Amino acid sequence: SQQGEEDPQALSIQEGENATMNCSYKTSINNLQWYRQNSGRGLVHLILIRSNEREKHSGRLRVTLDTSKKSSSLLITASRAADTASYFCATDASGTYKYIFGTGTRLKVLA
Amino acid sequence: GAGVSQSPSNKVTEKGKDVELRCDPISGHTALYWYRQSLGQGLEFLIYFQGNSAPDKSGLPSDRFSAERTGGSVSTLTIQRTQQEDSAVYLCASSLLTGGMKFFGPGTRLTVL
Repeated sequence: SQQGEEDPQALSIQEGENATMNCSYKTSINNLQWYRQNSGRGLVHLILIRSNEREKHSGRLRVTLDTSKKSSSLLITASRAADTASYFCATDASGTYKYIFGTGTRLKVLA
Repeated sequence: GAGVSQSPSNKVTEKGKDVELRCDPISGHTALYWYRQSLGQGLEFLIYFQGNSAPDKSGLPSDRFSAERTGGSVSTLTIQRTQQEDSAVYLCASSLLTGGMKFFGPGTRLTVL
């Protein structure tokens, strides 16, 4: 079964709007990581949030983590057409460091 | 090298043939992961190497799949007697530290006819 699952599966917004994606997971974790994938090939690491952190910022990205609800959200502010991509969360299952990826959110930003 | 490299970038093979996929991680990275991704799907964990420890093979889908990591660096994923359902993009990633951010290679797109 999936350790991480993102929702929505797909999201379409206008340039300049904010985009919010959510990730839910099943077990306790060491950290949670968000990745972006363009054109179905290699992934790029965006941000890592540790289990004892609640919020983290990086540029236009804001990530929150609620370990009591086993969920995380990724907010992209002032979106750009170049943000169009698939976004995945990854968590280590039960502290094993075996990172499992969710099913991803396909974001489309319309110019 | 500057990043994780994988070869070949594309591989077309006939059903029943064996294939080898190669991953060169970033120098000094102790952890190495293999994932596969079918068209439009998420990443499926296959195997994880950490230093000299025994690899975590729990994601390998069948005994036709095996992987090695020689000298703590280069890794080879071997698929024997390929089947059409093996068609996917195979992604390799490495990280400096256990649990750290991962750097992904560009992937190998495998097509089994």
